[in-house]
Amino acid sequence: DSGVTQTPKHLITATGQRVTLRCSPRSGDLSVYWYQQSLDQGLQFLIQYYNGEERAKGNILERFSAQQFPDLHSELNLSSLELGDSALYFCASSPSQGVGELFFGEGSRLTVL
Amino acid sequence: EDKVVQSPLSLVVHEGDTVTLNCSYEVTNFRSLLWYKQEKKAPTFLFMLTSSGIEKKSGRLSSILDKKELFSILNITATQTGDSAIYLCAVLIQGAQKLVFGQGTRLTINP
Repeated sequence: DSGVTQTPKHLITATGQRVTLRCSPRSGDLSVYWYQQSLDQGLQFLIQYYNGEERAKGNILERFSAQQFPDLHSELNLSSLELGDSALYFCASSPSQGVGELFFGEGSRLTVL
Repeated sequence: EDKVVQSPLSLVVHEGDTVTLNCSYEVTNFRSLLWYKQEKKAPTFLFMLTSSGIEKKSGRLSSILDKKELFSILNITATQTGDSAIYLCAVLIQGAQKLVFGQGTRLTINP
């Protein structure tokens, strides 16, 4: 158990809908990262927050947005969902702003029908 | 564009065999290279390598980095069925605050 908690574990929804994925980092970790893992692709970096502020952005679509709250939990919002958005979405945390070892949650598996 | 390429993509061996997984990279500003093991869900950290030529070892797993040739290898000796997993290589980009992952190597150990 990494100490990073993600909910929901599984989510099935329809195209055009909007979902919110939630992540609680390890106690004391200030950085939260979101990654997307599709069937035949590696982990694609989406976005990073540090202590409530956005610090780095990867290949995150405009239909996706995220935020980190004062209690350090983070949410990833996915809207106007398409079939291709079906994937495993991972949240990871680390103690500092600079990336070293990341601690990953179990992931949220999103299926868009 | 920063790129991390792993090979092979898939590998099937028998228990007791030794395997070598490869990771090459082309990135703008290298800081360090990390290896992760992904079994059912969450990737778990194995090694972080920053300096060339210094082997990191943990039990039957070891890894080394060559910053001149831009690659790393992960060795697993005396493999066990529990080693079956996807092994992910990632490169930390200096200043960019992100890890760039390779596609992973799916390793299957048959009894």
